[in-house]
Amino acid sequence: DAGVTQSPTHLIKTRGQQVTLRCSPKSGHDTVSWYQQALGQGPQFIFQYYEEEERQRGNFPDRFSGHQFPNYSSELNVNALLLGDSALYLCASSLRDRFNEQFFGPGTRLTVL
Amino acid sequence: AQSVTQLDSHVSVSEGTPVLLRCNYSSSYSPSLFWYVQHPNKGLQLLLKYTSAATLVKGINGFEAEFKKSETSFHLTKPSAHMSDAAEYFCALNNAGNMLTFGGGTRLMVKP
Repeated sequence: DAGVTQSPTHLIKTRGQQVTLRCSPKSGHDTVSWYQQALGQGPQFIFQYYEEEERQRGNFPDRFSGHQFPNYSSELNVNALLLGDSALYLCASSLRDRFNEQFFGPGTRLTVL
Repeated sequence: AQSVTQLDSHVSVSEGTPVLLRCNYSSSYSPSLFWYVQHPNKGLQLLLKYTSAATLVKGINGFEAEFKKSETSFHLTKPSAHMSDAAEYFCALNNAGNMLTFGGGTRLMVKP
C-alpha cells in the first residue's frame, strides 16, 4: 500500500512564475491538507480539500489555490511567486471523519530565486 | 485561538541518557495533541497522539508523552536516547477545526 506521494521532489522557480505541486493521498483516504514549512520553522496549514471543495483555509493569500480531483488527488498552485514562498510543501491525507489519523507525504522542496 | 510552544529549539543528550522535549499549548477547547518526528529531507512521521483517552500516551520507538491539562503541557520523553533519534521533533494540536497547529520544532542531537 503506497502512502502519500508528492511530486515533484524538488523544483526551482524564479520570482513571478507560477508553480503546481501534486499530491496523491494514501489509498482509501478522501481528505487532503496542504502545509507550508519554511526553513527552520514548523509547518503552517494552507488549506484542506474534501469532496473536491476547499473546506478550510489558513492565513495564506489568494495566490495560493488548490484543486481536488474525483480520485481524491490534489494540486497546490502558487501564482506570482515570491522569494518568501521558498519552503517545503507537505501534503497530508486522512479520512474525513478520522482527521486525527493523518499521514504526511515526503514533501516538495520549492526554491524561488 | 490556539497555539503550540516548544520551549527548546535545540536539545542535546548523550546516547543512552533520557530525552525530554517540552511542549506547551493554548486552546479554547479540549484539543487532540500530537508529536511528529522529521528526519532530514523527509516528511513528518507520527510518533504518538492524545485524543482524550489515557493521559499517558505511548508511541513508537519507545517514546511517550503525558497530557497535563492543569499545566497545558504535553512533554515528550524517552528513557534512553539512541543515535537514530537525532531529528527534528514537532508538537501539534487539533482543536476540532481539522487543521493542525504546529510548534516551531525542537532539534534533538544525540552525542555518542
